[in-house]
Amino acid sequence: EAQVTQNPRYLITVTGKKLTVTCSQNMNHEYMSWYRQDPGLGLRQIYYSMNVEVTDKGDVPEGYKVSRKEKRNFPLILESPSPNQTSLYFCASSPVGGALYNEQFFGPGTRLTVL
Amino acid sequence: AQSVTQPDIHITVSEGASLELRCNYSYGATPYLFWYVQSPGQGLQLLLKYFSGDTLVQGIKGFEAEFKRSQSSFNLRKPSVHWSDAAEYFCAFTEGNQFYFGTGTSLTVIP
Repeated sequence: EAQVTQNPRYLITVTGKKLTVTCSQNMNHEYMSWYRQDPGLGLRQIYYSMNVEVTDKGDVPEGYKVSRKEKRNFPLILESPSPNQTSLYFCASSPVGGALYNEQFFGPGTRLTVL
Repeated sequence: AQSVTQPDIHITVSEGASLELRCNYSYGATPYLFWYVQSPGQGLQLLLKYFSGDTLVQGIKGFEAEFKRSQSSFNLRKPSVHWSDAAEYFCAFTEGNQFYFGTGTSLTVIP
């Protein structure tokens, strides 16, 4: 089944404790992206990647890191999480041409709470 | 700055009634526009998209949207709402390789 998977689905952590949220897609998509969703703010793009080893900042990259060493994986890293990073996070992928032309396929989301 | 605005935070309609969700964009050129739907506890699913050509776009689940350049709008419509349409709806546009979403409109459907 074609899908985007994220792990973990739920995470409660404490300020300053490094964490990684994994994202994997099995559709051989070039484009991958991370979003955070907050009430009243909609979805905001954190980082995106056009292909392996090619990443770029979105609208709200501060406090986050990403890497794209393999085509299928695009982990989101919070080196020192803070309470303002408490949010619902979505990973998405899209085929050749990037988001400009194609539908993005979204993962189920990761709900992160930073205490 | 480029942006997309959804003026209605929440809309309630009766099942079987028509629906229109508003979306306004601010962009210098013709944007690439999308409508996504998010069912409770789920990720987002594409309803329809507009790039160029016919300004009336048909999507899945009986939805359509009309691009109006003069009004900078891309409103989503459905002639008869079903209870299963209750969800959050997001208008979005893309610039380069970045995606910008509106703040969303929550739809409640009453029997």
